[in-house]
Amino acid sequence: DADVTQTPRNRITKTGKRIMLECSQTKGHDRMYWYRQDPGLGLRLIYYSFDVKDINKGEISDGYSVSRQAQAKFSLSLESAIPNQTALYFCATSDLGQGFGNEQFFGPGTRLTVL
Amino acid sequence: GQNIDQPTEMTATEGAIVQINCTYQTSGFNGLFWYQQHAGEAPTFLSYNVLDGLEEKGRFSSFLSRSKGYSYLLLKELQMKDSASYLCAVPSTGANNLFFGTGTRLTVIP
Repeated sequence: DADVTQTPRNRITKTGKRIMLECSQTKGHDRMYWYRQDPGLGLRLIYYSFDVKDINKGEISDGYSVSRQAQAKFSLSLESAIPNQTALYFCATSDLGQGFGNEQFFGPGTRLTVL
Repeated sequence: GQNIDQPTEMTATEGAIVQINCTYQTSGFNGLFWYQQHAGEAPTFLSYNVLDGLEEKGRFSSFLSRSKGYSYLLLKELQMKDSASYLCAVPSTGANNLFFGTGTRLTVIP
């Protein structure tokens, strides 16, 4: 079983709709992240959380919100989707006490298309 | 802040050796990561360098020069499955997350 899972894997929606992307992990990591990836722009950080009570904005948080429901779950919401939010979205986890500290472990990604 | 420069694309022949360069600027160095990402898939960890020098791991090696703000990933005995994007990343200021370069897309041809 995958350590970091994302649902859905693919989603097509229309402008103005509310969308939630979910991420779950069984690695026991405290830190979780949401990135988006666009061709030619690389991975850009949307939000990150170091524990259930800690939420931080990343580089491109406008138009997004997150919820850390439990240590293992971190959800990303688009309150009113717009076409330029079409992208590949990745969830990631890390733990300073495991791996190489800042090493991040990625979920399989969610491909979101906003029409 | 951080900045990372990598070539956008490279092509190499099966069985050959290829070197992918990465130059970076960061206000406080705390290591450098290389990730591999096949098209449409998740990035996967390849290597981590925090000290100067070469780290070898099978067909893949990674080099770091902190004084020059430079790293490279060396892939030997290239295989078709090595066709992927290679992402260079450094921890952000305060080490709260990783800052990624835009990646180098490597195409291996027969």
